[in-house]
Amino acid sequence: DTEVTQTPKHLVMGMTNKKSLKCEQHMGHRAMYWYKQKAKKPPELMFVYSYEKLSINESVPSRFSPECPNSSLLNLHLHALQPEDSALYLCASSQEEEQIYGYTFGSGTRLTVV
Amino acid sequence: GNSVTQMEGPVTLSEEAFLTINCTYTATGYPSLFWYVQYPGEGLQLLLKATKADDKGSNKGFEATYRKETTSFHLEKGSVQVSDSAVYFCALKYDDGFQKLVFGTGTRLLVSP
Repeated sequence: DTEVTQTPKHLVMGMTNKKSLKCEQHMGHRAMYWYKQKAKKPPELMFVYSYEKLSINESVPSRFSPECPNSSLLNLHLHALQPEDSALYLCASSQEEEQIYGYTFGSGTRLTVV
Repeated sequence: GNSVTQMEGPVTLSEEAFLTINCTYTATGYPSLFWYVQYPGEGLQLLLKATKADDKGSNKGFEATYRKETTSFHLEKGSVQVSDSAVYFCALKYDDGFQKLVFGTGTRLLVSP
């Protein structure tokens, strides 16, 4: 298995809703990431987990809450989002948090906040 | 700071044409360099990488050489196909107390039959 699987692929939510994005990998990778990508822009880092511990939070608003229940799974809990949070949310993993390793990305969840 | 600059797109080519997408970087230390490709509606795929000066990364007919003297990592392909139409991101990874991956703005490639 060489994939990162993200669910759901599309999500529409209201500003008062609570929802969660899920990301799963079975490659034995020990680092996992959440990125946000707006249209026609590069991905922007949100969170990094290394060995199931949060190692980087790039000043992301608290309405985004990450969780890493085990080494294969990464969640992003969403609450009270704003329309400007609409974007493609990408999960990625890498073998280790080392400079030589590239990332394997999932196909993303396209989120629309109404 | 560490950053990546890519040529503006879109790059429009006919099938079987030669492709070059320019990428230059600014970095302290010795970053690793990557090219990622994003097809419409999908996530990013790692295309190739180089982790030290003079390394050449290659994959699927694409190649790029890590040139420290010109701080460049230009992507090339000898003969493009319609299926190569996508957005290409150059990226560098460096140690800032933690590993950080920085993307360029992306270059859209359009290949016509």
